[in-house]
Parts: sequence; C-alpha cells; structure tokens
Amino acid sequence: QVHLQESGPGLVKPSQTLSLTCTVSGSSISSGNYYWTWVRQHPGKGLEYIGYIHYSEGTYYNPSLESRVTISIDTSKNQFSLILSSVTAADTAVYYCVRSHGGYWGQGTLVTVSS
Amino acid sequence: QAVVTQEPSLTVSPGGTVTLTCDSSTGPVTSGHWPYWFQQKPGQAPKTLIYDTRNKHSWTPARFSGSLLGGKAALTLSGAQPDDEADYYCSLSYTGNRGVFGGGTRLTVL
Repeated sequence: QVHLQESGPGLVKPSQTLSLTCTVSGSSISSGNYYWTWVRQHPGKGLEYIGYIHYSEGTYYNPSLESRVTISIDTSKNQFSLILSSVTAADTAVYYCVRSHGGYWGQGTLVTVSS
Repeated sequence: QAVVTQEPSLTVSPGGTVTLTCDSSTGPVTSGHWPYWFQQKPGQAPKTLIYDTRNKHSWTPARFSGSLLGGKAALTLSGAQPDDEADYYCSLSYTGNRGVFGGGTRLTVL
C-alpha cells in the first residue's frame, strides 16, 4: 500500500525558507517510472502544481515558482523534499506530496507564512 | 502554459446522472494527456478517483467512470448520492509530463 506523509514546520517567517519532506512507504523513490510531485492549495482555492522530481529524468518546476523552488530526493530515507525560498504571505497554503501513476496523495500540511 | 477548464459548479439530483468535463486550451484532450480526476471534500486531501482517462482505484465507487467525450476528458457520476457532494478537479499532462490542474467543479447533490 502506497503511503505518503508530509512533514515540516507549520509556521515560517516572511523572507525565510520553507522546507518540507515527504516520506514514502510502499513504493521506492529510486525505482519505477514515478514522478514525485509537490502540489499546494491556497486557502479556499484550487490546486497548483509546484513541481516534480523523477529519479532519472530530473526535475520540473512550475514557471511561476521556478526561481524559488528546489525539489530533491534522498533515496537512503525514501524521501523527497521541497525547498521554497524567500516566502511571503502568498505562500501560505496546504502543501501536498503526490506520486504519479495512480495519484497517491499525502494528507497535506498547512504552512503559514507570518511574522 | 496550457489552461485547463472545468465547469465551476454543477447540481445533480440524488440518484441522477451528471457529467463533469475537463477541457484543454491547446486542443482536444486525448489519452496522451493522461487525465486524472480527484475528489476533495472540505478539510480533506484530494483523493484520486480516476487515472489515465478511465482507470479506477479500489476505493473508487463503481458509480464513477472516466472517458473522453467530444474532445474533453469526462467524469460521469451515475446514481448520485449525498456523499458525492464535493469539489472535483481534473489534471492533464503536457509535454515533459508537466501537469496542469483545472479550476475545479463544485458538485451539489440536491
């Protein structure tokens, strides 16, 4: 059974860096043709792709966030991570990690940007 | 970047049938867009109902089905139940496996 779980601080100060980790079980980060994706949802709004990482193909980032986003993989821990720099209040959202090929979602984690 | 369009809201009567659609600004939706459909209830994470146009998960109720219809991806709900009231999002993949979400459809069962 594929399971994804986000973790990280729920509060980040403006101009600082948001860092989240997704721990995956039931599926190997380093095998299979999977795209490990981050999605966010602003309060009361729709879904927005942040980007993905593929073990062999590399990364893709939403052009609107590309200058501030880094997604990486830690195969030893079967995790992938999101870094979003220079955050503002507009980055307040629920952040989800997702696996392609079936669309398995984590439960999401709310990140609030506030001083 | 492509724009994916869904009906903002739809209403269906209990026991009725409704079709939600997912349109692409770049042209007809095909199986090569790997359409996904997600259901989201208030306070919950999205849940994948349909992937790759028409494939279901074990948790997908049989009353939901996915297809291509008139150049769009479609999600049909046959025999609506009150529990189906939710937001529904579609997602399409473009060159380079770049995904784009639709704006979502709020489905009311009334």
